[in-house]
Amino acid sequence: NAGVTQTPKFRVLKTGQSMTLLCAQDMNHEYMYWYRQDPGMGLRLIHYSVGEGTTAKGEVPDGYNVSRLKKQNFLLGLESAAPSQTSVYFCASSYSISEGRQETQYFGPGTRLLVL
Amino acid sequence: AQTVTQSQPEMSVQEAETVTLSCTYDTSESDYYLFWYKQPPSRQMILVIRQEAYKQQNATENRFSVNFQKAAKSFSLKISDSQLGDAAMYFCAYRRTSYDKVIFGPGTSLSVIP
Repeated sequence: NAGVTQTPKFRVLKTGQSMTLLCAQDMNHEYMYWYRQDPGMGLRLIHYSVGEGTTAKGEVPDGYNVSRLKKQNFLLGLESAAPSQTSVYFCASSYSISEGRQETQYFGPGTRLLVL
Repeated sequence: AQTVTQSQPEMSVQEAETVTLSCTYDTSESDYYLFWYKQPPSRQMILVIRQEAYKQQNATENRFSVNFQKAAKSFSLKISDSQLGDAAMYFCAYRRTSYDKVIFGPGTSLSVIP
């Protein structure tokens, strides 16, 4: 049981380049989330998904797109990277409300992204 | 809108001593969840302890306990018998029962002095 995994662990991009971050979970969780973490600002929610095929915007969605084609995967895309997107990105997953355990989120190890 | 505040950007504690990290939050809800997460240098977020707002009893997990003051909207974390491995960033977080967005505080960096 690997829990929540993220690839890649670290990436350097030039301004304007695109990339996709992959999050995978093997706990059969309905809900998945993408956060970014910046110094002094805690974690901020970018996008989240409450089930396969559905996504929703979080607090800071601009410049990002997401897809949840399979229940176990949640992809975060940057179409045209900007230096302001330099950050550490965390993926998380949790059970659904109906399962009564949705209050606990399980986090991946993070992806460090540097945009030059 | 809900907010979570951690007024101590940095704290330090002597090994084997006790330290308390502060957290306050703002909400108009009566039912919700509160969490403390630990983030060591490895950067992975680890759930330390959680508290359901409808429970009056303070949550406890081994050396970690909370002081939940619902009326004051305060949720502090006490670490007893501090160990070197406790050195990390600690985030307080809030989540409405019926809504899945978790709101995090800015974090407190805890150093443990040998």
